Amino acid sequence: SSELTQDPAVSVALGQTVRITCQGDSLRTYYASWYQQKPGQAPLLVFSGQNNRPSGIPDRFSGSSSGNTASLTITGPQAEDEADYYCSSRDSSGDHVVFGGGTKLTVL
Amino acid sequence: EVELVESGGGLVKPGGSLRLSCEGSGFLFSNAWMSWVRQAPGKGLEWVGRIKSKTDGETTDYAAPVMGRFAISRDDSKKMVYLQMNSLKIEDTAMYYCTTEKALRFLDRLYDAFDIWGQGTMVTVSS
Repeated sequence: SSELTQDPAVSVALGQTVRITCQGDSLRTYYASWYQQKPGQAPLLVFSGQNNRPSGIPDRFSGSSSGNTASLTITGPQAEDEADYYCSSRDSSGDHVVFGGGTKLTVL
Repeated sequence: EVELVESGGGLVKPGGSLRLSCEGSGFLFSNAWMSWVRQAPGKGLEWVGRIKSKTDGETTDYAAPVMGRFAISRDDSKKMVYLQMNSLKIEDTAMYYCTTEKALRFLDRLYDAFDIWGQGTMVTVSS
């Protein structure tokens, strides 16, 4: 079982705001990173740490962290944002990486 | 162009071995930590393990399910990283991705960013 917990599925209306969350004890010590994966494609880093958005990722993607919860917020999602989203962080040992189970985002 | 290209996947019987390769280009390979991440069909991402750069000791770490069976190595002169998989189990069936891992820190909190990914190579363990 994963040490990071994500809601299996979330839906959002086109243009609204959606928050995808990731919970785990290790998030009190380590920041999370977030990955977008579309069918048949490799994952894509969309946000990491407290405030890092890779070049080419739209600024509608943002991240935050509070206590044992990390969040990825998509402000005004577009149809092309429909995908699976995964969080990751170090585990409680600090040496290994763990991924959340993933959240399937549907844009209505 | 920044790129990672995996190869070596295929069909193998339970108990068998397979070696995956990953070639990097377009970035300073010798400075990069390299990780392997796998994804079973229809399932989520699972970190398999990493090898740090030579500067950071070229040490390896592995996830519990593969510890003692898998080994990661690198050849910086060829810009290659390898995943040797032994004693394969049916549950090792997955797409295997190699990825660069950046270990970063902000205000004393560590995080990893897997920023370059290959297209993956499929490993099927079946009798």
